[in-house]
Amino acid sequence: GIQVEQSPPDLILQEGANSTLRCNFSDSVNNLQWFHQNPWGQLINLFYIPSGTKQNGRLSATTVATERYSLLYISSSQTTDSGVYFCAFHSTGTASKLTFGTGTRLQVTL
Amino acid sequence: KAGVTQTPRYLIKTRGQQVTLSCSPISGHRSVSWYQQTPGQGLQFLFEYFSETQRNKGNFPGRFSGRQFSNSRSEMNVSTLELGDSALYLCASSFDMSGYTFGSGTRLTVV
Repeated sequence: GIQVEQSPPDLILQEGANSTLRCNFSDSVNNLQWFHQNPWGQLINLFYIPSGTKQNGRLSATTVATERYSLLYISSSQTTDSGVYFCAFHSTGTASKLTFGTGTRLQVTL
Repeated sequence: KAGVTQTPRYLIKTRGQQVTLSCSPISGHRSVSWYQQTPGQGLQFLFEYFSETQRNKGNFPGRFSGRQFSNSRSEMNVSTLELGDSALYLCASSFDMSGYTFGSGTRLTVV
């Protein structure tokens, strides 16, 4: 199956700092998405980003499908950004199944 | 509009028992999928239902089953519970492949 690697696995930031999270995949994927799982366990859909760049407030995401990676940028981080960030995608032929990466655990401190 | 509702939020069961979890999707969403999250295995796909039909199934034993009703509500059932079934079970509803909305999950503990 497709291998997906997220880096870094853990990240500690001071409030106000910027960060870049990366998702590398070993083969072509479809419908790449980014999620944030808050400390209470709920997964929130941040971006649907099969290619190109999107921005939503302090967050933005870029996917370069031809080079098989996606980036999530967090600017001016806040304590509420803490949690785990996952990239997820559909493998070709399994359109109804999301495969998740291993996640990046982010802790934002005061 | 109302989000995805999962019940119950927390559950403690004994080995060998069975359990049924419920998921009510967003109104108008016909696809409901289930995921299991454990510290060791991460987020793993269980199955997906669309218009009362199972469209896809993950690599889980037959003890894990599900169904979807005509109102799109879905249930999953785990029979003969094992300690390793302790996990957070997440349900997601979607209208199309670009937008998944997850519920708050059911945290199952098997003792």
